[in-house]
Amino acid sequence: NAGVTQTPKFRVLKTGQSMTLLCAQDMNHEYMYWYRQDPGMGLRLIHYSVGEGTTAKGEVPDGYNVSRLKKQNFLLGLESAAPSQTSVYFCASSYSTSGWYTDTQYFGPGTRLTVL
Amino acid sequence: SQQGEEDPQALSIQEGENATMNCSYKTSINNLQWYRQNSGRGLVHLILIRSNEREKHSGRLRVTLDTSKKSSSLLITASRAADTASYFCATDATGGADGLTFGKGTHLIIQP
Repeated sequence: NAGVTQTPKFRVLKTGQSMTLLCAQDMNHEYMYWYRQDPGMGLRLIHYSVGEGTTAKGEVPDGYNVSRLKKQNFLLGLESAAPSQTSVYFCASSYSTSGWYTDTQYFGPGTRLTVL
Repeated sequence: SQQGEEDPQALSIQEGENATMNCSYKTSINNLQWYRQNSGRGLVHLILIRSNEREKHSGRLRVTLDTSKKSSSLLITASRAADTASYFCATDATGGADGLTFGKGTHLIIQP
């Protein structure tokens, strides 16, 4: 099993450009999450999905959009990149038996994004 | 906003010593989880402790949870150089599977 994979690993954008980050998991997890990590900070939740076709906003959703067209994939889009979106982006997935709590999360290796 | 706050922010100890990290949080939780992050890598899950549990062990790791004080601690016994990493506590607030709230982490350095 590859676990959780993220594409690309690194990316440099100019202000105003757009891009999509891809997260894929092969563990058949229902739940998937996008976080960002800034220097000296913990992770902050951007968006999440509790199943194929469903998405919801997290703590810091502004400037990002997501889609979950297939159960195994969760895409994070930046429509018009800003320097404040320079960060490391982590995708995670988890399996929850009840939907009432967030279970153990499995993280991808991250995408380091720089917006100039 | 950060739910969990780790203490200390940084910790340097000698190999073989025990390392203790603390985490405080603000709201009611379903569970509290600890993760490790090696430099430049993704996070790796260490332990999940549920709100009705008080202590949990996994190998050299011991986690305690005190919901009355809204605090948790992570103890690593007989530390090794490979334990050098950042450690994060993350809380699952009550209300659904809507993700975790992470603290800023404790950076642990094990001196050989």
